[in-house]
Amino acid sequence: EAGVVQSPRYKIIEKKQPVAFWCNPISGHNTLYWYLQNLGQGPELLIRYENEEAVDDSQLPKDRFSAERLKGVDSTLKIQPAELGDSAVYLCASSVQNTGELFFGEGSRLTVL
Amino acid sequence: GENVEQHPSTLSVQEGDSAVIKCTYSDSASNYFPWYKQELGKRPQLIIDIRSNVGEKKDQRIAVTLNKTAKHFSLHITETQPEDSAVYFCAAKGESSGDKLTFGTGTRLAVRP
Repeated sequence: EAGVVQSPRYKIIEKKQPVAFWCNPISGHNTLYWYLQNLGQGPELLIRYENEEAVDDSQLPKDRFSAERLKGVDSTLKIQPAELGDSAVYLCASSVQNTGELFFGEGSRLTVL
Repeated sequence: GENVEQHPSTLSVQEGDSAVIKCTYSDSASNYFPWYKQELGKRPQLIIDIRSNVGEKKDQRIAVTLNKTAKHFSLHITETQPEDSAVYFCAAKGESSGDKLTFGTGTRLAVRP
């Protein structure tokens, strides 16, 4: 069974540029999460989807961040424009429902110069 | 919302010794407490979890204990091996925090051969 797939694995951009990350969850997993992980810190939830509905986006900085999961399967997280402080690893995770184990992807490491 | 504190931030043990990592949480309504292991540059992976209706759970060399009254839970690793070296994150989740999984700041465990 394929795990959670994320791309790109690494991205280096200059500040004020846009960037997008893509995530394909495990087949059959209804719940999809985007987490932000700063160096030496635990993951912090940005947004949670139940199918195509964003049920918790309270931690998503909506002035520059956006996300979508149009068909309830794969998802895209966008940052526009990127700032220096956005440098971090963006983790995608999925679960069957929001009741048990989260399966994480390898993450997308963003460096903003 | 939920707040999870984790100690120690770093832990070094001799191979074969035991390691204990402790977490406290703030929301008495939290009912799910997983532990994730993250090796360098890899994705976090669930190693054990416990729900609030039990006080202890064991899986081979790994055990987790939960004290709901004191609002703390601990990870115990016995007979440590070099491959146990990683960062370990505790987390807590409950309905009153919107079913959001809140992670601790992580413990970097080094097992000396």
